[in-house]
Amino acid sequence: NAGVTQTPKFRVLKTGQSMTLLCAQDMNHEYMYWYRQDPGMGLRLIHYSVGEGTTAKGEVPDGYNVSRLKKQNFLLGLESAAPSQTSVYFCASSSHQPPYGYTFGSGTRLTVV
Amino acid sequence: GESVGLHLPTLSVQEGDNSIINCAYSNSASDYFIWYKQESGKGPQFIIDIRSNMDKRQGQRVTVLLNKTVKHLSLQIAATQPGDSAVYFCAENSYNQGGKLIFGQGTELSVKP
Repeated sequence: NAGVTQTPKFRVLKTGQSMTLLCAQDMNHEYMYWYRQDPGMGLRLIHYSVGEGTTAKGEVPDGYNVSRLKKQNFLLGLESAAPSQTSVYFCASSSHQPPYGYTFGSGTRLTVV
Repeated sequence: GESVGLHLPTLSVQEGDNSIINCAYSNSASDYFIWYKQESGKGPQFIIDIRSNMDKRQGQRVTVLLNKTVKHLSLQIAATQPGDSAVYFCAENSYNQGGKLIFGQGTELSVKP
C-alpha cells in the first residue's frame, strides 16, 4: 500500500521554465490537496480538489494550475517558474467525510534559479 | 483572517522528560484539530486528533488537550525519546468548509540524550 506518491522528489528549474508535479494516491480518497512549505511559514494550501474533474483555489494559488482528470491523480503545474516558487511541495489526500485524516506524500523539493 | 499559530518555535527537552507543545487558534467555528509530526526530509505524519466536543484525548505516550474558552490546543508527549525530535504542527478544520486544514507554523522539538 503506497499511500500518496509524489514525483519527482527533487527538481531545479530556470526562471520561466514550466513543469508538472504529479501526485498519485491509492486509497480511493475523494479529496486531494497541494501545499507548499517554506521556512517559518508552515504549510500553505495552494489548490485542492473535492473530486474527479473539480478543483478550487486555496490560500496561495497564484502562479499555479492544477488538474484532477482521474480520481487517483492530482497534478500541479507551474507555467512560468519564478524564484519565489522555490519551496517544498506536499500533496495530501483525505476522505470526503470527517474526520478527514490527511495522508501526505514525501514532498518535492523545487529550486528555481 | 483565520490563523493557527504556535507560542514557541523551538523546544529543547532532556530525554525522559515530558514535552508540552502549545498552539493557539483563532477560528471559534473550528470543529476538529489535529497534531502532525514532521521529521526532516519527510511529509507530515498524523499523531492524534480531537473533536471540538472533547477537551482531552489520549494516545500512546501523547495527550491532546483542547481549551475552547481560550482557543488553545496542546500536545503532551510523555517520556520524550530521541525519536520524538521533529517539527510538530497543529492544524484546524471546520466541517462546514470541507476537508481543508489550516496549519500552524510549527514547533521544532529537540531531545537531548
